[in-house]
Amino acid sequence: RKEVEQDPGPFNVPEGATVAFNCTYSNSASQSFFWYRQDCRKEPKLLMSVYSSGNEDGRFTAQLNRASQYISLLIRDSKLSDSATYLCVVFNNAGNMLTFGGGTRLMVKP
Amino acid sequence: GAVVSQHPSRVICKSGTSVKIECRSLDFQATTMFWYRQFPKKSLMLMATSNEGSKATYEQGVEKDKFLINHASLTLSTLTVTSAHPEDSSFYICSARGALGYEQYFGPGTRLTVT
Repeated sequence: RKEVEQDPGPFNVPEGATVAFNCTYSNSASQSFFWYRQDCRKEPKLLMSVYSSGNEDGRFTAQLNRASQYISLLIRDSKLSDSATYLCVVFNNAGNMLTFGGGTRLMVKP
Repeated sequence: GAVVSQHPSRVICKSGTSVKIECRSLDFQATTMFWYRQFPKKSLMLMATSNEGSKATYEQGVEKDKFLINHASLTLSTLTVTSAHPEDSSFYICSARGALGYEQYFGPGTRLTVT
């Protein structure tokens, strides 16, 4: 089983739609969680950290469910510019490193 | 967010030659730097982790004699691909992390093509 699993997609949605991605992680000792965004042939960029209480940044909402070991990202009012691959990332203190999911590809269409 | 630069952005070299890639944290001190490679439509694969002033820790399956990593200062790490082969052609990305927090900030990547 992969340490961090994501549905690779692609998710094809129209502009203005709401879309949600889930991610599961296997290591219950994981401490910190992030969503990164990666555009084609570019480096990943930090989108947001994920806190236990859930957090929101504009159109983006991240949730963490420790009991079920999953993380979610909700994007409201999708824009064409949201088209990218979204990477679920987990930090393990023991390994002192980030572990990346395989990414979920989102395509927002006019 | 913090800024990380990487140089060169693109390099083409012949088989058997060596290529050095530089990664710099421009506005913070990077106590830890990471090197990844990514094949098309695949996830990032961690190659090694380096802490300033100490030897890099390589992931299983990554040859330390082939991928030489130096982290001589808090703002610079280098990756040297020695005796490059066409199968080394990939997108190499570095990231840096400061002393506080777990977020990593990525460089723009280096696209290596070995002919």
